Formats: sequence, C-alpha cells, structure tokens
Amino acid sequence: EVQLVESGGQLVQPGGSLRLSCAASGFTFSTYWMSWVRQAPGKGLEWVANIQQDGSKEHYVDSMKGRFTISRDNAKNSLFLQMNSLRAEDTAVYYCLAYSDAWTSEYWGQGTLVTVSS
Amino acid sequence: DVVMTQSPLSLPVTLGQPASISCRSSQSLVYSDGNTYLNWIQQRPGQSPRRLIYRVSNRDSGVPDRFTGSGSGTDFTLKISRVEAEDVGVYYCMQASHWPPNFGGGTKVEI
Repeated sequence: EVQLVESGGQLVQPGGSLRLSCAASGFTFSTYWMSWVRQAPGKGLEWVANIQQDGSKEHYVDSMKGRFTISRDNAKNSLFLQMNSLRAEDTAVYYCLAYSDAWTSEYWGQGTLVTVSS
Repeated sequence: DVVMTQSPLSLPVTLGQPASISCRSSQSLVYSDGNTYLNWIQQRPGQSPRRLIYRVSNRDSGVPDRFTGSGSGTDFTLKISRVEAEDVGVYYCMQASHWPPNFGGGTKVEI
C-alpha cells in the first residue's frame, strides 16, 4: 500500500522557520518526482515546489523562491521542505505529492498543517 | 503562468443524474512530447486530494467508470454519468504542461 506521511507542521511566529518531512512507502521512491502542494484554509490548491528523482533539479513557484528549499533523501525514502521567513499567508495544509514521469501515477499524502501567527 | 478557469464554481446535483464540469486553460496544454498534461482531482470534505483522471481522459485505478474526462488544447470537461452521494466534494482541474503546474479554482459538487 502506498503511503505518504507528512509531519512537522505546527504553530510558528511570523519570520520563523519550519522543516516539514514526508515519509514514503509502498512505491519506488527514487523513481518519482516529488513535490509539495499547499492549501490555505477554505481555499484551493497551490503548487509550492518539486524536485527531480535524483534530487539534481528543484523548481519553485516564484512567491516561495528564496524562502523555501525542497530536498529529498532517496536512501530514507523521505522528502523535506525547509521554510524560512514564514509569513501569515503561508498558513496552509502542506501536502506531499509523488508523481511518475508522464504523470502516469500520482500519490498524495494526508497533509500537515502549518499555522503562522503571533 | 497558465490560468486555469473552471465553471461552474458550485454545482448542485441530483442523485442519479449526470453532472459536468468545465475547465479552460489560457494556453494550449499540448506538451512538446505530444501529451496533454491535464488532470482532474477530487477532494471530498475533510480529505486530502485524490486524482481521478490523468492526461485528459485516463482514469486512475479504482476510479468508477461513471467519471469521464475529455477535451483537447484549451478546453476540457469532467463528466459524471450518474452522481452518487460519495461524489460530493470539490473538483479541481490541474495542468502540468507548463511551469508552474497549477490548479483551477475548484468546483463544489453538492447534492
């Protein structure tokens, strides 16, 4: 059974940092693109970043470039998102998403809630 | 960025009746490899998203055949042949042919 389990979400003050993790199982992690997608409370889905299978390439949505860093550890089947200089508008559920080349397969995690507030 | 526009925003449905959701992109979604990376995603209340359809018309494993995706270029449609109670939720189209991948605003399907 495929599982993507996010962790690390919590309440953090504006300007603070947080590191999210996503533990993957049930599929060959190293062959999948990995990404983070977020959803603000009551809002739609927003792409955050993705990372290539071997970790050699990362892409970020402009509004998160320079503040967020995506990384992965294929030996541990894990994905990470380092978030710095957090703002109130970063408050959201952050989902881990895995997809294969040509998007033939796709898996979503259950999400972890990040709240940025003083 | 490509803009994905869904309609309607809200879709009241009757159990057993068909339903249709439209998605329009601001640019053609035909990718350089010839594929069109347009997916449909369902999010039931209180749940994480789940993909139903990939590359316009391919159903994911376990997705009932009452869900059908169609379209080409910039115009796409998700049809539910006979709505069931478990279909309540928000449906998003998503394009992955251009960076960044992005989603339509969602269509809320309610009985």
